[in-house]
This record gives sequence, C-alpha cells and structure tokens, in this order.
Amino acid sequence: ETGVTQSPTHLIKTRGQQVTLRCSSQSGHNTVSWYQQALGQGPQFIFQYYREEENGRGNFPPRFSGLQFPNYSSELNVNALELDDSALYLCASSLAVSQETQYFGPGTRLLVL
Amino acid sequence: QKEVEQDPGPLSVPEGAIVSLNCTYSNSAFQYFMWYRQYSRKGPELLMYTYSSGNKEDGRFTAQVDKSSKYISLFIRDSQPSDSATYLCAMSPITQGGSEKLVFGKGTKLTVNP
Repeated sequence: ETGVTQSPTHLIKTRGQQVTLRCSSQSGHNTVSWYQQALGQGPQFIFQYYREEENGRGNFPPRFSGLQFPNYSSELNVNALELDDSALYLCASSLAVSQETQYFGPGTRLLVL
Repeated sequence: QKEVEQDPGPLSVPEGAIVSLNCTYSNSAFQYFMWYRQYSRKGPELLMYTYSSGNKEDGRFTAQVDKSSKYISLFIRDSQPSDSATYLCAMSPITQGGSEKLVFGKGTKLTVNP
C-alpha cells in the first residue's frame, strides 16, 4: 500500500504567477483535502474533494482552485500569487466512511518572491 | 477568539519525563479529536484519534477529551529524544459526506533532551 505523495517538493515563484501542485492519494482512498501551513502555524483547511466534486471550502479566495481526477489524485491551483501564499501546502487523503481520518503527504514548500 | 487554542511552547524536557500537551476549543460542534506529530520539514503524522469524551491509550501515548470543558490533552510517558517534534491538535465536526474538515491548533514544539 503506497502512501500519499506530492509533487513538486519545492517551488519558487514570483508574485502574480500561477502554480499547480499535485497529490496522489493513498491506495483505496477517495477523498482528498488540501491545507496551507504557514511557518510557525498549524495547517489551515483550503478545500476538500470527494468523488471528483468540491465538498467544503475554508476561508480562501477563489484564486485557490482544485480538481480531483477519476483515479482520485488531485491538483491545487493558485492564480495571481501573493507573497503571503508562501507556505507548506499539504494534501491529505482518506476513505470517506464513518470515523475514518486523514493521512498527510510530505507537502510542497512554495516560496513566492 | 480562535476556534482552537494551543500553547506553541517551546517545551523542553529531560528524557524519561512525562509530557502533557493541551488544547482548548470554543466550537461545541467538534466531535472528532486528533493529535498529529510533525517532524521538521515533514507532513503531519496521525498519533491518536478519538470520537468521544474519555481516555484512549496507545503505548506510551494517552489522549484525553473533556467535552464539558472543551479541553483535550495528550500525555507522553517515558519521553524519548525521538519524540522531539511539533505536536498538533486537530478537531472536526461531524461532516455530511466526504471526510472531516480539520481545524488545527498552532502546534507545540517539544524537545526531549538526552
């Protein structure tokens, strides 16, 4: 059984650019959640995808968008990057049944200059 | 007031000590409670998962939930240098479809000194 993987591991962008981050969920998991973790803070929920549809969104602007594919992998897209978008972006996968919980990938560290 | 409050520390203890980590919360809708361990530059790793008030034990780790006080704790017995990490509490309400949308504390940085 493979765990959650994310790519790339590190990324440097400039303000105003666009970025796409990728996540492969753990085998058998059908739900993917994305979190943003700023330095020294706990992760903050961005949104969740369940059966290829957005299933809940945190307090993030529309320039944060995502996709889930039929194989349950997922993308996070951020448009018009701002300096404050610099953070560790975490993907977590789970099987959406009662009392199951989420398993996190290693994250993508994004630096916006 | 933040939904979840957690003292960021740092906390430094000698090897073998009992460690107590705590979080308080304000949202009565939270029903699921978790503790994650995060090593530097890694993703969070699930340690403990509880649904109701009471205690849950797993090896050297004990999780406690007191819903009446909106207070959760993680105890680490016989702490080891390998326990040095940031400990994050997380919680979630019951969700309609999909999985929990976790609300995290800031994390407490723990160092266990040999």
